Amino acid sequence: DAMVIQNPRYQVTQFGKPVTLSCSQTLNHNVMYWYQQKSSQAPKLLFHYYDKDFNNEADTPDNFQSRRPNTSFCFLDIRSPGLGDAAMYLCATSRAAPSGGSVQFFGPGTRLTVL
Amino acid sequence: GENVEQHPSTLSVQEGDSAVIKCTYSDSASNYFPWYKQELGKGPQLIIDIRSNVGEKKDQRIAVTLNKTAKHFSLHITETQPEDSAVYFCAASKGGRRALTFGSGTRLQVQP
Repeated sequence: DAMVIQNPRYQVTQFGKPVTLSCSQTLNHNVMYWYQQKSSQAPKLLFHYYDKDFNNEADTPDNFQSRRPNTSFCFLDIRSPGLGDAAMYLCATSRAAPSGGSVQFFGPGTRLTVL
Repeated sequence: GENVEQHPSTLSVQEGDSAVIKCTYSDSASNYFPWYKQELGKGPQLIIDIRSNVGEKKDQRIAVTLNKTAKHFSLHITETQPEDSAVYFCAASKGGRRALTFGSGTRLQVQP
């Protein structure tokens, strides 16, 4: 089945120790998104790639970076995780339509714990 | 930017009853309105969506209505079952590659 896969599902890191989360998709979608979701809150967009074009949200901290080496893969790098970065990180994909909204498909998420 | 408000924040119903969740949006340019269901520890799953050129869409026990003039849309779940218990998010988008703006979520509890 075509899907969005995230690895690992659970990640524990230490304060200040860099961590990388990965996302892959078999949907061949041209847009990939990274969201941060804290407990009992809505997902908050960090950034997205439209093909190779990177788009950062204005309020995304510099501590968060992303790479998309090819259509199928996208990575979220947290350079120096703080306690406030503990959250669920969700990857989503869509096929952007010229007009009208694009359906977004979410992966299962990676739960990040910062000790 | 877009702002989406969602009510209620929690909703408890008896099995078999109907549940209604309401959202309002601020940007009249928004034209795509999906609803997601999120179970504990999982990613959001799309359950139904509606585009601005229609007023209502139905899929078995779930339906969504859209009032563009009033800028609000609602999710209706009939004959609720315990497995409907989850957090439901509404969202709005202006289309293309633009990201979704989510509502704050509604925790639905269906009592057996």
